[in-house]
Amino acid sequence: DIQLTQSPSFLSASVGDRVTITCRASQGISTYLAWYQQKSGKAPKLLIYAASTLQSGVPSRFSGSGSGTEFTLTISSLQPEDFASYYCQEIKSYPLTFGGGTKVEIK
Amino acid sequence: EVQLVESGGGLVQPGGSLRLSCAASGFTFSGYYMDWVRQAPGKGLEWVGRSRNKANSYTTEYAASVNGRFTISRDDSKNSVYLQMNSLKTEDTAVYYCTRDHLYSDVYWPDYWGQGTLVTVSS
Repeated sequence: DIQLTQSPSFLSASVGDRVTITCRASQGISTYLAWYQQKSGKAPKLLIYAASTLQSGVPSRFSGSGSGTEFTLTISSLQPEDFASYYCQEIKSYPLTFGGGTKVEIK
Repeated sequence: EVQLVESGGGLVQPGGSLRLSCAASGFTFSGYYMDWVRQAPGKGLEWVGRSRNKANSYTTEYAASVNGRFTISRDDSKNSVYLQMNSLKTEDTAVYYCTRDHLYSDVYWPDYWGQGTLVTVSS
């Protein structure tokens, strides 16, 4: 099975900050990676798929990059509505593993 | 508008069974793969399994933690996917989400999620 390691697991930031979250895969997964945002008590929402393709309707301050084993999700200027948990998921092989998550909180 | 509505959650004793349903609307259900994903209280997301579409013979995949105990099925005439859960354990306690999976670059990506249904396994 492929393992995904997200870092950091917790992040404290201010509105307007540039935020970067990393997801490392235990083996190469090309660009078969998605990123989700989950707000407290709500279902996850797809932000990015294929490592860097922005889902329709997602603000352009979100971006994704990477291939192989290292991936990043960047929020260029953190907004109040971005305080949430973020998860990566590999879609290359079964089981379709998720990373452990990164919680972004207000500093 | 794409909508996914899960139902069937509740309290069940260890060793018991439960069947979850996910009713879909707003898209041509038969053409899509569907997944189940769960989240234990205060924990991260865990992929449970996948149902492929008719074109791919309705085949399924499962996580090792549920393989042999859980079964995913679907009824395209009812635009619904199901998760039959048997031999339930306390560690199956979670919110269960269904997802619609859209095809892009030969891979299916979960793009819409339901609101989830809570399953509690406890004596």
